[in-house]
Formats: sequence, C-alpha cells, structure tokens
Amino acid sequence: NAGVMQNPRHLVRRRGQEARLRCSPMKGHSHVYWYRQLPEEGLKFMVYLQKENIIDESGMPKERFSAEFPKEGPSILRIQQVVRGDSAAYFCASSPGAPGTGELFFGEGSRLTVL
Amino acid sequence: GQNIDQPTEMTATEGAIVQINCTYQTSGFNGLFWYQQHAGEAPTFLSYNVLDGLEEKGRFSSFLSRSKGYSYLLLKELQMKDSASYLCASTSGGSYIPTFGRGTSLIVHP
Repeated sequence: NAGVMQNPRHLVRRRGQEARLRCSPMKGHSHVYWYRQLPEEGLKFMVYLQKENIIDESGMPKERFSAEFPKEGPSILRIQQVVRGDSAAYFCASSPGAPGTGELFFGEGSRLTVL
Repeated sequence: GQNIDQPTEMTATEGAIVQINCTYQTSGFNGLFWYQQHAGEAPTFLSYNVLDGLEEKGRFSSFLSRSKGYSYLLLKELQMKDSASYLCASTSGGSYIPTFGRGTSLIVHP
C-alpha cells in the first residue's frame, strides 16, 4: 500500500511565477491536509480538504494561495506570483477518517525554492 | 493558538535514556501527538495520548498530564538512528487538526 505521494519533491521558481504542488493521499483516504515548514520552524497548518470540499482554510494566506481536492486526481496546492518568502517545505498528509479519529500520514514533502 | 513549547535541541549518548518534554495550553484540549522526523523525510507517527498516564510502545513511551498541560516522550536504549527531530502536536476545540510545536532536534552520539 503506497504511502502519501507528493510531487515534485523539489521545485525551483523565479519570483512572480506559479508553483503547483501535488499530493496523492493513501489509498482509501479522503481527507487531505497541507502544512508548511520553514527552516527552524514547526509544521504550520494551512488547509484541510475532503473530496471536492475545503473544510478548513484558516491557515492559508488570503492572497496567492489556493488548494483543491477534485473528485478525480490528486490534491493541488497552488501558489501564484511566488515571492522569496514562499520558499519552504510543503507537506501533505492524509487520513481515512475525519480529524480526531486517528493519526495523519505524511508525505515526504515538496521543497520550493524561489529565486 | 495552542502555544506548544518544547526544547529546541537535546543531545544524548547511545544506549542511554532521554526524555523530551512538551507543554501546551489546556483550554479546549483534546489530545496530543508525537511524531518523529528525520532530516528531509516525512514525519512518522509515534503516539497519540488522550487520557492521563504513560503509554509504552517498545523503546518509546509517551506520558500525558491533562491537568498540567504537559507531555513527555521517553526514548530508551538510544540508537544512532534515533537522531531526528521529535514533533509534539496538540489538538483542541472542535477542529481536531494537529497544531505542531517547533520540534526538538535530538542528537545521539556514540
């Protein structure tokens, strides 16, 4: 049973470009979470999605960031007009049930570098 | 916020025992996670405590005191491969989505 798959593992963008990060949850998991990790910082919650719905986006910056989890295909975190401060590791996690029913399973992260 | 506080870095000797502490705000508290994260890798689940007391799982044990807002992760018979970051995360209120601390970087030396 494959784990949470994230791609790309590494992404380099110039300021002003767009970054798209993809996350395929574990088989049978319909709940997806995105976290951001800055150097020397903890994992910061961004958004929680269930198939086709954004449930909680309280940690998502109001501008330039968006997330989706379509009926078919991976969840996508999209960052428009990237700036240097967006450089970070973005981790996706999934769970089979709603938060609080068990652990979150994490992917290995996508490392975004903005030049 | 849930004000998770844990030491930034700890060092220990191979074969020894180490205790990593974590404090959190008790208001609306539901439960507490511990994850292990090796550099450049995915965080992996270690434990989830909801009730007071000690839960043992092989060389790793986790303790929770709900009234004190305090937890610790105990690692016994340390091995070099235990060198990693240990992340404490609490859930509170109605969301149950884990809020993580900055993590404790554990360095195990021979």
